Amino acid sequence: EAQVTQNPRYLITVTGKKLTVTCSQNMNHEYMSWYRQDPGLGLRQIYYSMNVEVTDKGDVPEGYKVSRKEKRNFPLILESPSPNQTSLYFCASSPTSGISYEQYFGPGTRLTVT
Amino acid sequence: GEDVEQSLFLSVREGDSSVINCTYTDSSSTYLYWYKQEPGAGLQLLTYIFSNMDMKQDQRLTVLLNKKDKHLSLRIADTQTGDSAIYFCAETNQAGTALIFGKGTTLSVSS
Repeated sequence: EAQVTQNPRYLITVTGKKLTVTCSQNMNHEYMSWYRQDPGLGLRQIYYSMNVEVTDKGDVPEGYKVSRKEKRNFPLILESPSPNQTSLYFCASSPTSGISYEQYFGPGTRLTVT
Repeated sequence: GEDVEQSLFLSVREGDSSVINCTYTDSSSTYLYWYKQEPGAGLQLLTYIFSNMDMKQDQRLTVLLNKKDKHLSLRIADTQTGDSAIYFCAETNQAGTALIFGKGTTLSVSS
């Protein structure tokens, strides 16, 4: 089944404790992206990747890192999480090297930083 | 910069039609999208419309696009309680690297 998977789905952590949220797609997609969703703000892009080893900042990259060493994986790293990073995170992928109407979203990761 | 605006709440009765409206700023978007998010769930692409179309119909869903006014609407016919969700309008940014989402319209359907 074609899908984008994220792990973990739920995470509660403390300020300053490094964490990684994994994202994997099995569709050989070129493009991958991370968004965060906050009440009243909709979804905002954190980082995106057009292809392996090519990543770039989105609208809200502060406090996050990403890497794209393999085509299928695009982990989101929070080196020192803070409470304002409490949010719902979505990973997305697309077959082309940019946005297309065939964009697939993962199921989301709900992160709480205390 | 690009911006997408939509009303925050809509309440309808079961069986009525729902119309969710959206305005966007970037006229270069090739596609415009409607996503649905049910409580506690991820994002589901409901439908999309190509920018050179005025209308797209898909079963109970009708999308209308007015490029002159940069206005997009989603009509749900015969709204059911299962349609209760948050609906997001989205456009592609100018660089083609991100979706720009509205804040979402919460649709509440009462029986």
